[in-house]
Amino acid sequence: DTGVSQDPRHKITKRGQNVTFRCDPISEHNRLYWYRQTLGQGPEFLTYFQNEAQLEKSRLLSDRFSAERPKGSFSTLEIQRTEQGDSAMYLCASSFDRYTEAFFGQGTRLTVV
Amino acid sequence: AQSVTQLGSHVSVSEGALVLLRCNYSSSVPPYLFWYVQYPNQGLQLLLKYTTGATLVKGINGFEAEFKKSETSFHLTKPSAHMSDAAEYFCAVSEAPDWANDYKLSFGAGTTVTVRA
Repeated sequence: DTGVSQDPRHKITKRGQNVTFRCDPISEHNRLYWYRQTLGQGPEFLTYFQNEAQLEKSRLLSDRFSAERPKGSFSTLEIQRTEQGDSAMYLCASSFDRYTEAFFGQGTRLTVV
Repeated sequence: AQSVTQLGSHVSVSEGALVLLRCNYSSSVPPYLFWYVQYPNQGLQLLLKYTTGATLVKGINGFEAEFKKSETSFHLTKPSAHMSDAAEYFCAVSEAPDWANDYKLSFGAGTTVTVRA
């Protein structure tokens, strides 16, 4: 399957712990996006990359959040010192370029207890 | 800046009945408009999109939507609901991508559709 892949699908962590999620985009897709979806809400944009360059970060992305795409392929999203408010579905999407729509992965559901 | 309002967080329809999901948007530039469907614990699947051209857009699974600029609306319809249509539906807007804008989506809060047998 050549869709967007996210790992893990589910993560339960204790408050204060660090977590890292991985996203593998569709091959040859240059753009990669991260969104966050809380219960009962639509996804909200967090950040995106053009190849390895992070072009924009939403104000939702506090200092505890960091995203990387070191080789322009897969991306990681790390949350440090997790808080209960970080509990959400984290969605990754990729697109070929700025003019084409993005395809979404199945998401990583984070639960902070 | 863009925003999306979906009227009705829950819609219940009988199997075989019309499905109508309402979406209004605001955008300061010509918008690209989308409808996505999300099944439980799954990602988002694109149903259809409007970019330019014909204002009536047909998508997958028998859904269609009409872009009405004068009403700033992009309502989603399906003539006959099927049990498999039970899911959450999201309307989204993006600024039309060009040298200044980019393909970032702003989503509505979603509408959950239940289908009664």
